Amino acid sequence: DAGVTQSPTHLIKTRGQQVTLRCSPKSGHDTVSWYQQALGQGPQFIFQYYEEEERQRGNFPDRFSGHQFPNYSSELNVNALLLGDSALYLCASSLGGTGGFVGEQYFGPGTRLTVT
Amino acid sequence: AQKVTQAQTEISVVEKEDVTLDCVYETRDTTYYLFWYKQPPSGELVFLIRRNSFDEQNEISGRYSWNFQKSTSSFNFTITASQVVDSAVYFCALSDTDSSYKLIFGSGTRLLVRP
Repeated sequence: DAGVTQSPTHLIKTRGQQVTLRCSPKSGHDTVSWYQQALGQGPQFIFQYYEEEERQRGNFPDRFSGHQFPNYSSELNVNALLLGDSALYLCASSLGGTGGFVGEQYFGPGTRLTVT
Repeated sequence: AQKVTQAQTEISVVEKEDVTLDCVYETRDTTYYLFWYKQPPSGELVFLIRRNSFDEQNEISGRYSWNFQKSTSSFNFTITASQVVDSAVYFCALSDTDSSYKLIFGSGTRLLVRP
């Protein structure tokens, strides 16, 4: 049973550049959430995609955008990178029909983004 | 507003000791969910438990146990007879009707189990 996969594992970008991170959910899951985890802190929710639509968004600027494909995989795009965007980006998958509450979210290994 | 506080930044114990990780949460809702995740050095968050606000029964799973007390807004996690493999960062998280589909995490507790 394939778990959540993310690519790439590590990424180094320069300030002002754009980056795309990818996530494939756990088999059978239809919902993908993205989190940003700065060093030494807990993950912060960026947004969630369900049925190819952004269902909920955290307190992140419009530079952060996403997409979900028909096969439920997802991309996270960050434009105009800032030094403060350096973090571990985690993708989590779950089943969407949970009555309005988050179900058991299964996390991928993350993408470590470094902005120089 | 919702908030999760893990006051213990780092705990160090010797193998086979019992250890309790504290979690205090804030929410105005009567319906909410609480979670614990483990993050080993590899970085992947591993799901440990999900508990709803209407179920205050303590839960035990092997060496792990959880104590949920609504009166003190706490959801503490105990590892019995700790092992070196338990070394990781542990996160407590909350989801309520305001946050609905997202998890609100605490800042985590780093547990070091020494041989």
